[in-house]
Amino acid sequence: SQQGEEDPQALSIQEGENATMNCSYKTSINNLQWYRQNSGRGLVHLILIRSNEREKHSGRLRVTLDTSKKSSSLLITASRAADTASYFCATVPNAGNNRKLIWGLGTSLAVNP
Amino acid sequence: DGGITQSPKYLFRKEGQNVTLSCEQNLNHDAMYWYRQDPGQGLRLIYYSQIVNDFQKGDIAEGYSVSREKKESFPLTVTSAQKNPTAFYLCASINSGGVNTGELFFGEGSRLTVL
Repeated sequence: SQQGEEDPQALSIQEGENATMNCSYKTSINNLQWYRQNSGRGLVHLILIRSNEREKHSGRLRVTLDTSKKSSSLLITASRAADTASYFCATVPNAGNNRKLIWGLGTSLAVNP
Repeated sequence: DGGITQSPKYLFRKEGQNVTLSCEQNLNHDAMYWYRQDPGQGLRLIYYSQIVNDFQKGDIAEGYSVSREKKESFPLTVTSAQKNPTAFYLCASINSGGVNTGELFFGEGSRLTVL
């Protein structure tokens, strides 16, 4: 079952601009992860943020987590054409079978040169 | 370099045929997963395995079968019972800490098309 919902579903920006994607989820989580997928390829892990963390950075990526609103955002600063990809959030619920990630439907990002 | 290898990358199947997708990892990971991805969709879990000789059904296991005879290998068979098998299949693995502590590593995927 899908829990995460990303928005927007699609985003088109110019190179150099910032891109912000949001993810909402429904239940209490252990952690939330962001992945990137280039067209026709496998997924690549970007960042894992735990439920007791509010913000994490990795290079040009910044992830925030608001557990009170059950939402997270991924910010890509100074975007490049090579950032064109789909971005997925995935949550690890606190309850139930926490060996399974719950995936969102993804945000398709196009960065135009 | 360590990683996950899926093969074949593209596969065509006639209706009524079983096909097996290969997934091999040399990351020494205990857990392995199979996901299905349809256009514009997220990932849906087919099967997962925490240790050798053990596996569990995911959310959409009907029409699929797996085996885990070796730690490195987790093949997926798409049987003729799967009503709509055309999709992109992704294999992933994770270390012993699991998703509570770590990230999934993915293969490059196998695209199955039923003719």
